[in-house]
Amino acid sequence: EAQVTQNPRYLITVTGKKLTVTCSQNMNHEYMSWYRQDPGLGLRQIYYSMNVEVTDKGDVPEGYKVSRKEKRNFPLILESPSPNQTSLYFCASRIGTSVTGELFFGEGSRLTVL
Amino acid sequence: DQQVKQNSPSLSVQEGRISILNCDYTNSMFDYFLWYKKYPAEGPTFLISISSIKDKNEDGRFTVFLNKSAKHLSLHIVPSQPGDSAVYFCAVGSGGSYIPTFGRGTSLIVHP
Repeated sequence: EAQVTQNPRYLITVTGKKLTVTCSQNMNHEYMSWYRQDPGLGLRQIYYSMNVEVTDKGDVPEGYKVSRKEKRNFPLILESPSPNQTSLYFCASRIGTSVTGELFFGEGSRLTVL
Repeated sequence: DQQVKQNSPSLSVQEGRISILNCDYTNSMFDYFLWYKKYPAEGPTFLISISSIKDKNEDGRFTVFLNKSAKHLSLHIVPSQPGDSAVYFCAVGSGGSYIPTFGRGTSLIVHP
């Protein structure tokens, strides 16, 4: 089954404790991205990747890192989480780099930073 | 400043009636428009799209209308069903770019 898998789905952590949210897709998609969803703010892009070893900042990259060492994986790293990073995070992938392709989203990872 | 606006945070409709969700954008360079639907505890899923060379695209009960001069698009759901209750996001982009810009979403509730 074609899918985007995120882990963990739920996480409660404390300020400053590094964490990684993994994202994996099995569709051989070139493009991958991370979004956060906050009440009243919709979906905001954090980082995206056009292909292996090619990443770039989205609208809200502060406090996050990403890497794309393999085509299927695109982990989101919070080196020193803060309470304002409490959010619902979505990983998404797309077959090509053009905006005309549909995005496939994971089920989301709800992160709480205390 | 928001490039994509969904001015109605919520919409309530009776089953069987039409649901109309609206989206306005500011940049006339945008030429591709998508709608995504999101149920609670799930990721968004693609619903329907339209390019700027068209003014209408239809897929079953879902129709998207594009008014380029007004920089406005709308999603019509006819007839609305309780299973359509979800948050709907519009997303816009230009064909030469990689990144869609999302609106803040409209929560649709369809009452039985």
